[in-house]
Amino acid sequence: EPEVTQTPSHQVTQMGQEVILRCVPISNHLYFYWYRQILGQKVEFLVSFYNNEISEKSEIFDDQFSVERPDGSNFTLKIRSTKLEDSAMYFCASSDAARASYEQYFGPGTRLTVT
Amino acid sequence: SQQGEEDPQALSIQEGENATMNCSYKTSINNLQWYRQNSGRGLVHLILIRSNEREKHSGRLRVTLDTSKKSSSLLITASRAADTASYFCAGGSGAGSYQLTFGKGTKLSVIP
Repeated sequence: EPEVTQTPSHQVTQMGQEVILRCVPISNHLYFYWYRQILGQKVEFLVSFYNNEISEKSEIFDDQFSVERPDGSNFTLKIRSTKLEDSAMYFCASSDAARASYEQYFGPGTRLTVT
Repeated sequence: SQQGEEDPQALSIQEGENATMNCSYKTSINNLQWYRQNSGRGLVHLILIRSNEREKHSGRLRVTLDTSKKSSSLLITASRAADTASYFCAGGSGAGSYQLTFGKGTKLSVIP
């Protein structure tokens, strides 16, 4: 069964450093998303991406964040200058929303620890 | 606005019993989805119910939606130890938006 994959599973970085989190969405899906979950809190929407551009973003997704689909399979989230409060689990998801299918399929997540 | 506030926050039952989790939301939705998360792992999609549906079944799962009360429930019948996980509801507003708004979740423990 196709699945969303994410790398790395765990990333430790120092405050102020740039990090890139990588995702490979399900191959025939057209919509891609990033969410984050701070330990013990809700899963929060960051951004959605369709047709090579951002379609929606939340207030959390400020200028420190960017997304890119550098090739036909990868979808990345970059945090330019990490802060302690960026420590969280980051989930990538994809959906075949073009078929009006709203189900989103999530990857296993990347645990980002900022020290 | 917040969507998807689940109750109870934690539920502990014996294997074989049924587990019911509830979710309330505040703004209008196009669809409501339930996800499971095993400790420290990713979210697994369980079931989606659209705003024009009242009930949906999938295996041992039964979901109801009451749009007049802005609430949904997830019933897991004949629970198993493997059902131990956190369960989240997530509302999708539709109308060109695909983002999901999650609640805090219910932590279900099924005791063998």
